[in-house]
Order: sequence, then C-alpha cells, then structure tokens
Amino acid sequence: DSGVTQTPKHLITATGQRVTLRCSPRSGDLSVYWYQQSLDQGLQFLIQYYNGEERAKGNILERFSAQQFPDLHSELNLSSLELGDSALYFCASSVAGAGGTGELFFGEGSRLTVL
Amino acid sequence: QKEVEQDPGPLSVPEGAIVSLNCTYSNSAFQYFMWYRQYSRKGPELLMYTYSSGNKEDGRFTAQVDKSSKYISLFIRDSQPSDSATYLCAMSAGTGKLIFGQGTTLQVKP
Repeated sequence: DSGVTQTPKHLITATGQRVTLRCSPRSGDLSVYWYQQSLDQGLQFLIQYYNGEERAKGNILERFSAQQFPDLHSELNLSSLELGDSALYFCASSVAGAGGTGELFFGEGSRLTVL
Repeated sequence: QKEVEQDPGPLSVPEGAIVSLNCTYSNSAFQYFMWYRQYSRKGPELLMYTYSSGNKEDGRFTAQVDKSSKYISLFIRDSQPSDSATYLCAMSAGTGKLIFGQGTTLQVKP
C-alpha cells in the first residue's frame, strides 16, 4: 500500500459528461501529480501541485482542470468527455516540490470509461 | 519524437534468465533516472533510483545510466515469475516533472 488513496476506482459515463476524480496523498507529502495512462500513449504527465499551488503543467487538455485543497487532497475535473478520454488516471504524491528527485508514490488509479 | 523511448515488448524469458531493459532519451537536462514496476491493475512503484551517470545495484537488480549516450538500462538477474510486470523508465530534470517511457511488459515463465 503506497498510502495514496484514489476514488472512485472505476467510473463509467457518457460522452459530454463531467466527472471528478479525487486523490488523498500520503501523510506529509506536499506534492500531488496527476498522470493519464492509456495503451497507446503510456503514462502521460498532466499536472503537478505543490502545497496548493500549480507547479508544473504537462499535456493537460483545456477540458481538464485540477486543484489542490488546503488539506492537500486534490481533485481532477474532466469535462465534455470524449471517447478518447477513456484511460487510467493516476495520482501520485511526493514530499518534494520543484527540484524534487522524482520519487513518486502512486495510487491504484481511477479507471474511466467513456461510452 | 518522444522525449523518452522504450520498447514496449512484450518480452518473454524463462525463469532464471538475465533480463535487460532499456530506454533512450533526448533531453540532456535529465539528471534523475528511475525504474518503476507496475503489476496488472496496480499503480507503478519505485524500483530503482539513480542520480546522473553510473551504476546502482540492489539485490538482483542493477540500474545503469550512460548520459553520454543518453541511454539507461535495468538488468534483472535470476529472473523469477514474480518479476512478471511492466517496467517503466522515468526521468526528471529536477523540476518535479517526471517523464515516463512507454513501459516494457515482461513475462518470466516457470
């Protein structure tokens, strides 16, 4: 058990809908990262938050947004969903922020299926 | 061209074989190099971590980094069926942003 908790584990929804994925980082970790994993693209970095502030941005679509709350949990919002958004969404956490060593601890992922 | 290239395999070996997994990269700013292991239906977990060039050994696992060639490797000695998983290389320039390879699926047959 990595200590990172993600909910829901599975989600099935329709095109055009909006969903929210939730992540609780390991106790003491200030950074939260979101990754998308699909068969053809592998593990793609979406966004990083450090202590409530956005720290780095990757290939995150404009339809997607995220935030980190004062209690350090994070939410990833996906809107106007398309079939191609079906993937595993991972949250990871680490103690470090910018300049970190990359030792991330991953949750078990939220599997999103868009029909 | 992707920043990190990794052959997705699959790679199938008999139990006890030496396994070699590799990644190449294009960003010379990468300084931190990692290997993650991902079992089916689980999140990736850190297996090996190396800073800059050189070798690092941990039990049956050895990680090598050659920054001059922009090439990293993971060797698994005396491979076991429990090593069957997807192995992902990952790299960072120290910004906190970790870039992953596609992942290589390994199957070790008893």
